[in-house]
Amino acid sequence: IQLTQSPSFLSASVGDRVTITCRASQGVDGYLAWYHQKPGKAPKLLIYSTSTLQTGVPSRFSGSVSGTEFTLTISSLQPEDFATYYCQQLNSYPLTFGGGTKVEIK
Amino acid sequence: EVQLVESGGGLVQPGGSLRLSCAASGFILRDYYMDWVRQAPGKGLEWVGRTRDRTGSYTTEYAASVKGRFTVSRDYSENLLYLHMNSLQTEDTALYFCVRVPDSTRADCWGQGTLVTVSS
Repeated sequence: IQLTQSPSFLSASVGDRVTITCRASQGVDGYLAWYHQKPGKAPKLLIYSTSTLQTGVPSRFSGSVSGTEFTLTISSLQPEDFATYYCQQLNSYPLTFGGGTKVEIK
Repeated sequence: EVQLVESGGGLVQPGGSLRLSCAASGFILRDYYMDWVRQAPGKGLEWVGRTRDRTGSYTTEYAASVKGRFTVSRDYSENLLYLHMNSLQTEDTALYFCVRVPDSTRADCWGQGTLVTVSS
């Protein structure tokens, strides 16, 4: 299953509403997760099973789906949110990741 | 505290072998699916392989790029996960992460990674 993330690069300001899209080439039965990764660090889980917020993750992060297009929304971008974001499908093998979306400060 | 710590990375020549280790603490390794994920320098994330939990009989799955060359195994008594890598190629150069995957639905705990460099 191919996951196509868009955009690959995003420039935004603190306080902006940000939306990242992950389109799956076929159905993943809702088993889609979102992570972000800061330089030199391991990825961190934000959302799993399309829309379930991982414990400890701020509520400004949310996930949704329409068909095979999954969306990660950050309602009000904070300084600590500048990072690279990845989606991952865990429905079928081989597991796959999207290509990533780098969110930078405008 | 749940923690994963990888070790065993280093410089190896093409065609060589290496064994990565992942020490788990704060949870019982046999009760979880465990994955290896890698990241080539400056690139995105690539899933490498998986071992299922005790309920899944610890069976394994692999990415096509490593199948037949890499093997995931466990040391149950020591709460350790391994990645045995043979016939290494330059394209296997990457930071390798050990990852816990509860219910096979999410990667909720990642190690800090161990760097493997394949070069002559």
